[in-house]
Amino acid sequence: AQSVSQHNHHVILSEAASLELGCNYSYGGTVNLFWYVQYPGQHLQLLLKYFSGDPLVKGIKGFEAEFIKSKFSFNLRKPSVQWSDTAEYFCAVNHGQNFVFGPGTRLSVLP
Amino acid sequence: KAGVTQTPRYLIKTRGQQVTLSCSPISGHRSVSWYQQTPGQGLQFLFEYFSETQRNKGNFPGRFSGRQFSNSRSEMNVSTLELGDSALYLCASSGDKGALNSPLHFGNGTRLTVT
Repeated sequence: AQSVSQHNHHVILSEAASLELGCNYSYGGTVNLFWYVQYPGQHLQLLLKYFSGDPLVKGIKGFEAEFIKSKFSFNLRKPSVQWSDTAEYFCAVNHGQNFVFGPGTRLSVLP
Repeated sequence: KAGVTQTPRYLIKTRGQQVTLSCSPISGHRSVSWYQQTPGQGLQFLFEYFSETQRNKGNFPGRFSGRQFSNSRSEMNVSTLELGDSALYLCASSGDKGALNSPLHFGNGTRLTVT
């Protein structure tokens, strides 16, 4: 069965620190990859997506993610986090008829 | 554009009862998908409806069902409720490429508590 893992349950950073959230999936075929974010009190929203082409994708609010097919990874990065990035981040993968989310990583940015 | 609207926001039911949740997608979106979010299992895909037909389905028992109307509004039904069905149920709409190939626009969810 396809699964999606996220390396960290909770990440705590100070403002201006660099961020990398790991995401790995288990399926080896063609996949579409997503990162969604849920800010406190708000609904889930799309950060960025990868369908094909350049494996380095840029999303909103300065986030980017790199698809490394050989490592089955789609890690999310941001060079300098802000307090407003405090949220829960979900990696998601689809293939075939199913859509699988990772367990989520809670990011807390300290002012 | 108005966002995805889910009703009701909160619901309390008893074991064995059934429940119906409603979702109105963003205008023009024909795909509606449903998700269950719990602390233990995280976000799990239930199913997707497109043009009144179920197009994709996750790994949930038959007690979980849905339908979609001609105006793209969707309902999800859970029969014979169990305590483990307590969760936040999220609905998302997306464009014609569907839930698996398009960005999802989520609603705020319906919080179901089964006692």
